[in-house]
Amino acid sequence: EAGVAQSPRYKIIEKRQSVAFWCNPISGHATLYWYQQILGQGPKLLIQFQNNGVVDDSQLPKDRFSAERLKGVDSTLKIQPAKLEDSAVYLCASSGPGTGSNQPQHFGDGTRLSIL
Amino acid sequence: AQSVSQHNHHVILSEAASLELGCNYSYGGTVNLFWYVQYPGQHLQLLLKYFSGDPLVKGIKGFEAEFIKSKFSFNLRKPSVQWSDTAEYFCAVSPFGNEKLTFGTGTRLTIIP
Repeated sequence: EAGVAQSPRYKIIEKRQSVAFWCNPISGHATLYWYQQILGQGPKLLIQFQNNGVVDDSQLPKDRFSAERLKGVDSTLKIQPAKLEDSAVYLCASSGPGTGSNQPQHFGDGTRLSIL
Repeated sequence: AQSVSQHNHHVILSEAASLELGCNYSYGGTVNLFWYVQYPGQHLQLLLKYFSGDPLVKGIKGFEAEFIKSKFSFNLRKPSVQWSDTAEYFCAVSPFGNEKLTFGTGTRLTIIP
């Protein structure tokens, strides 16, 4: 099966600029996740969608980060304005077709964001 | 909230050596446990998982892990490593019935041919 697709693979921007990442989950997967992985750390969940509804966004810095999953398929994550500490790899994952913790998460290759 | 500790940041082994990577978690309830692997240049992949039942679980590529509830541990093992096992290994936990994964900081494994 085709995996989770993410774009772009790399992005370099200056602080205070805005940036957007795109994710296309595995076909039929109801749940979509965005993670932030800072160098030397494990992935940290930013937001979880089930279909097009938000399940958990408790760790999303809502003053600058936003995410949407229109039509319950593709998703975009936006940062506006970016700060130096946002330099990280942004991972998208999906699970399904059902829900529940017994559905393993499948990860994309990630977008490596560098803030100058 | 749950947390995960991986005490080994970088492990270097020779081929055919035995491997054990430590993972301890902190959570007051029932958990699901996972090991993910990230090979150089590739995405995170599920290595094995524990939900319930036999605390010794077997995964892909000869890896296994043992859940010891009394020690809040889920250590990863492999009896004989290969050069192709060079990768970063992440332990993760989710509360039972909840999909939210909390990852450890990862262990970088380097296998010397």
